[in-house]
Amino acid sequence: AQSVTQLDSQVPVFEEAPVELRCNYSSSVSVYLFWYVQYPNQGLQLLLKYLSGSTLVKGINGFEAEFNKSQTSFHLRKPSVHISDTAEYFCAVTTNSGGSNYKLTFGKGTLLTVNP
Amino acid sequence: EPEVTQTPSHQVTQMGQEVILRCVPISNHLYFYWYRQILGQKVEFLVSFYNNEISEKSEIFDDQFSVERPDGSNFTLKIRSTKLEDSAMYFCASRAGTTLETQYFGPGTRLLVL
Repeated sequence: AQSVTQLDSQVPVFEEAPVELRCNYSSSVSVYLFWYVQYPNQGLQLLLKYLSGSTLVKGINGFEAEFNKSQTSFHLRKPSVHISDTAEYFCAVTTNSGGSNYKLTFGKGTLLTVNP
Repeated sequence: EPEVTQTPSHQVTQMGQEVILRCVPISNHLYFYWYRQILGQKVEFLVSFYNNEISEKSEIFDDQFSVERPDGSNFTLKIRSTKLEDSAMYFCASRAGTTLETQYFGPGTRLLVL
């Protein structure tokens, strides 16, 4: 079974500052990794995903993440945040060990609050 | 852009009552999921559904839960006799095909059991 740990439950930052949201995973098999964002009163929206290939993945809204297999991490970064980035961010993992089901295992989420 | 929709957005019910949460997945998607998030906890997988049958379910998905795709568009989650601990946000998701593609999530239904 796999698990995901998001080390920070809340991250407050000022507008235009850089931010890193941390995610570590545990799995005995190869994984596929995702970051989802949830804006207030909305569903989960995919930010980016790592399936294979380049370990640096770029997503929407200027976010990127780097897969580090040795450290079992998939941290999310943005060089300069905006007020509109205020949201809850979820890291998730899946594997193909269960056939084509690809259920997601989520972390607890990190609330990013961008202050003016 | 197509999206997953869920109704109702909020539901309040009495313990022991039956509730049905409804989802309309994206048209032509083949895989359907229910997840839930108890306040302050992780989003947890409940069940996946493919080809009109459950393909996988978690330990949470006991006999009180059932899923159905009654027609070509709706995907429902029924809780037969709700408990206080069923209070949570319930998310529906759908995925297009058999390869590893994005799961698209609905906005969720917040269920409160009193």
